[in-house]
Amino acid sequence: DTGVSQDPRHKITKRGQNVTFRCDPISEHNRLYWYRQTLGQGPEFLTYFQNEAQLEKSRLLSDRFSAERPKGSFSTLEIQRTEQGDSAMYLCASSATGGKFAFGSGTRLTVV
Amino acid sequence: AQSVTQLGSHVSVSEGALVLLRCNYSSSVPPYLFWYVQYPNQGLQLLLKYTSAATLVKGINGFEAEFKKSETSFHLTKPSAHMSDAAEYFCAVSVLTGANSKLTFGKGITLSVRP
Repeated sequence: DTGVSQDPRHKITKRGQNVTFRCDPISEHNRLYWYRQTLGQGPEFLTYFQNEAQLEKSRLLSDRFSAERPKGSFSTLEIQRTEQGDSAMYLCASSATGGKFAFGSGTRLTVV
Repeated sequence: AQSVTQLGSHVSVSEGALVLLRCNYSSSVPPYLFWYVQYPNQGLQLLLKYTSAATLVKGINGFEAEFKKSETSFHLTKPSAHMSDAAEYFCAVSVLTGANSKLTFGKGITLSVRP
């Protein structure tokens, strides 16, 4: 069990650019979640996958955000035309059905 | 839908004093409840969880929490604070099976420990 890994750890981008983050879950976990956390707030749910199927997306999620989990293993989260308000920590978590959630250390995005 | 409320954003205690962090939940179905801790620039670490077994749950680092259905509460306590307990603490609620299995977090409470 190597844990949930996220790449990159930090990303600085100019407003209007596209960014993509990667999450590698614990290998036997079939569920994968993306959260966003801003300063002073709890993690906010963005979307989740069961295997390769995206089962839920937050209503708060802009159309500029898209996530994929093409083979039911790793996942990517893309943000198009980034805005300063997108600056946040993006957390990935994985779990087996009914099991404990494991969180990655996150990707900190700064949009300048 | 589920939600949690963590009243107050900051709690400060003296080293050796009781720690009490409050969490109230709302859920249309029997909930599963969690406390997570987050140290600066790190991910979330599970302290403890309630999944409908014993109402008093013991976790890591000497923390425990009691599920009180009548009060819709799941407050986190520790008898004696250590300096190393200074961190941000999040209460979360979920149902662990079915389509709606995501964790919903509160806003978090920052715990400071004074020497």
